[in-house]
Formats: sequence, C-alpha cells, structure tokens
Amino acid sequence: QQQVKQSPQSLIVQKGGIPIINCAYENTAFDYFPWYQQFPGKGPALLIAIRPDVSEKKEGRFTISFNKSAKQFSLHIMDSQPGDSATYFCAASSAETSGSRLTFGEGTQLTVNP
Amino acid sequence: EAQVTQNPRYLITVTGKKLTVTCSQNMNHEYMSWYRQDPGLGLRQIYYSMNVEVTDKGDVPEGYKVSRKEKRNFPLILESPSPNQTSLYFCASSDRGRGQFFGPGTRLTVL
Repeated sequence: QQQVKQSPQSLIVQKGGIPIINCAYENTAFDYFPWYQQFPGKGPALLIAIRPDVSEKKEGRFTISFNKSAKQFSLHIMDSQPGDSATYFCAASSAETSGSRLTFGEGTQLTVNP
Repeated sequence: EAQVTQNPRYLITVTGKKLTVTCSQNMNHEYMSWYRQDPGLGLRQIYYSMNVEVTDKGDVPEGYKVSRKEKRNFPLILESPSPNQTSLYFCASSDRGRGQFFGPGTRLTVL
C-alpha cells in the first residue's frame, strides 16, 4: 500500500513558470519529508527537505510548503528553467528509523520548455 | 570524492541464476539501503541497514537477501532471480537524520 501519494504524474511548464508538485501522506509518525531530483541515467539526488515543525522552507528557487493538519506537502520551483527538467520524488520517513526507512511517492516528470 | 558505487551497472541474466550486486560507500555513513525503481511505482525500498550486522525489511523484500558485514559495503543478493525482478536498482547511504545519497544505479534484466 502506497503511503505517500504524489501528483501530478507529469507536468509541462514554460520557462519562468512555477510548477507545483503535491504529496499527501497517511502515516502520522512521519516526521521528515525530503524531495529528490532525478535526471535520466542518474540516481536521485536530495534537493530539499522539511520537518513538520515549520510550514515552509526555501532553498534557492525551491520551496517546500507543509500542511501538517492536512498531511500534505508540496514543492514549488520558482522561475523554472529548462535545466530543471527532471523527475521529482517526494518521500517521508519517521523518527523511529532516523531517515533510513524512506517511503517514496510515485514521481513527477517535469518538463520546462524554453 | 564522496560517492556510492554499484557494480555491475548493467546485467542481463537468466531465471534462477544467482547474482550479487555490490554496493560500497566511502562516506563512513551509518545507514545503507537498497531500492528498486519501476515506471509508475516510484522507488520502493527493498532492505535497509542501520548498522553493521543489522538489516531490516523494506516494502518489497521478497526474493532478495542482503548482508552488512562491514560499514562500507551492502551487497544485494538474488538467489533465484525471476523476470519480475527486472528493474533499476539503487543503493543509498546516509547518516542519522540526513538525506540519503544514491548510487548511479544497476539495470537488471532477467530473461
């Protein structure tokens, strides 16, 4: 059973647009929510992560918004560029496993057109 | 250079022929994991290890074995591979409470 649901499955935006990828989780024990970026032929790379004690975290053009009551979190990419075209995965983990036990969403394939 | 290495990167084998995919990390990370990636399913954790000689099942452990005899190595063993284990496999390592660092992947085809 998928414990982290991610949407949309694919997303196409124009350069400069703000793509938003959403994730919802079920397990209230989750307390660490990372996002990974994967380019074709490469392994996923950690992009940004958030813990539920804050509602938003920004790193450069990437922002995570977190809604604990709704059990949802999302990734926003400001001023998107063609080089951001990749597959993005959300994930979740609980304190019990200190981040070693990760549950991933299904992934979103993002295309940023020039 | 900090990295996770996997070997082989590509493997074509036949049903029932035992194989091992090696994984090694040079960052002295405590935790290591194996994932498989399939279209539409994202990444699913097979096994993970929080310490030497300590391993636990992830979401899809059936048909796989692992061992953690040394901190840096975490091999994945398929004792009797089947076609439904055709997939892209990733090894990852991390420290407590930090994001996981992934290897380059191993593409396995079981005929």
